[in-house]
Amino acid sequence: GAGVSQSPSNKVTEKGKDVELRCDPISGHTALYWYRQSLGQGLEFLIYFQGNSAPDKSGLPSDRFSAERTGGSVSTLTIQRTQQEDSAVYLCASSFRARPGASGETQYFGPGTRLLVL
Amino acid sequence: GESVGLHLPTLSVQEGDNSIINCAYSNSASDYFIWYKQESGKGPQFIIDIRSNMDKRQGQRVTVLLNKTVKHLSLQIAATQPGDSAVYFCAESGGSARQLTFGSGTQLTVLP
Repeated sequence: GAGVSQSPSNKVTEKGKDVELRCDPISGHTALYWYRQSLGQGLEFLIYFQGNSAPDKSGLPSDRFSAERTGGSVSTLTIQRTQQEDSAVYLCASSFRARPGASGETQYFGPGTRLLVL
Repeated sequence: GESVGLHLPTLSVQEGDNSIINCAYSNSASDYFIWYKQESGKGPQFIIDIRSNMDKRQGQRVTVLLNKTVKHLSLQIAATQPGDSAVYFCAESGGSARQLTFGSGTQLTVLP
């Protein structure tokens, strides 16, 4: 597609339920990032994938959060046993490559998934 | 820890005036900086970026200035238009970090 797409656009769930958020990066982009944005706040890094390398999970807030990227393209972010503090906008971004300072490192964002945990 | 911060949370300008949004960073290893615009209900939209080997870069109606001595970044928007109203984020990366570290954002409001 022309840009990064995410689904669902909105998700309301009950505390304790699991949710899956999907990201389709820009075709040909090897790097994929997940960020979280709480209301009125900046973006918080969660996890990053680069090609077939092991993902950088250093930003995941707890072991309830996990993500995978299948076939080097689509990624799924899973939150298990959701808590109210998980309510936020979850944003996905992709870039052609991930090396900072190199051409093609610009991250392009999707529209986000707005998650509300009741 | 290292952080990227913005001087002002809100900025109001008259339509047609120039806008300047400022950002300070603390990570001396930062070598790549980027500005995003985020409209309500949308994801961040790339505006302009700059690498640490430059101190100025211009785009269409926008200019980014980088002062590495004082670790300061600014975004200048010429002839601000109503469509420029949004939250503007600066972000940086550096060293081995591949993810972006974002500031908390500045809300720009363009007054008629």
